[in-house]
Amino acid sequence: QQNVQQSPESLIVPEGARTSLNCTFSDSASQYFWWYRQHSGKAPKALMSIFSNGEKEEGRFTIHLNKASLHFSLHIRDSQPSDSALYLCAVKRTNTGKLTFGDGTVLTVKP
Amino acid sequence: GGIITQTPKFLIGQEGQKLTLKCQQNFNHDTMYWYRQDSGKGLRLIYYSITENDLQKGDLSEGYDASREKKSSFSLTVTSAQKNEMAVFLCASSPRDRGYTQYFGPGTRLLVL
Repeated sequence: QQNVQQSPESLIVPEGARTSLNCTFSDSASQYFWWYRQHSGKAPKALMSIFSNGEKEEGRFTIHLNKASLHFSLHIRDSQPSDSALYLCAVKRTNTGKLTFGDGTVLTVKP
Repeated sequence: GGIITQTPKFLIGQEGQKLTLKCQQNFNHDTMYWYRQDSGKGLRLIYYSITENDLQKGDLSEGYDASREKKSSFSLTVTSAQKNEMAVFLCASSPRDRGYTQYFGPGTRLLVL
């Protein structure tokens, strides 16, 4: 059974800081990786995905995947107060398989 | 674009009661999901359905039933509500492209007295 762990549990950073969120997974056959963001009281929304080893950048957000280390991460450049939310990583083995979520990191960006 | 609608938004039940939550999507997505989220934590999969009339158990299916009546709708039943239970139930759907990225509804908030 897939085990997905996130660190840290919570994080407070000043506006403009670079933020790093981590996710480890247990199933080495995992192929599909997402970061979701959930603002308080709202639905989770997919932020970024990556399906092969390496790095992918979209605006202020960068995702790194290292399958050999069973680890992927999300980096936020120039963090904004509007980035304050629960960040959930998610992993699955096959395209039609179950998606397993971590417990999340609560990010607070102080103005 | 599309939207996922969940009804009701809030549900207050009594211990032992059978409770039904409903989800509708107009994305025309094949796959639909039900998740439970406890107090700002991660999501745990209860049931999912790859296509109409299909049902697959998730990691948390005990105590729940599900029904995929048609492509656009997916219902979840709490078979016997547990006292002091409080959680948010999230419905999602995904297309056959873009890696099956899941799109979520706003949730049903459950409180059992």
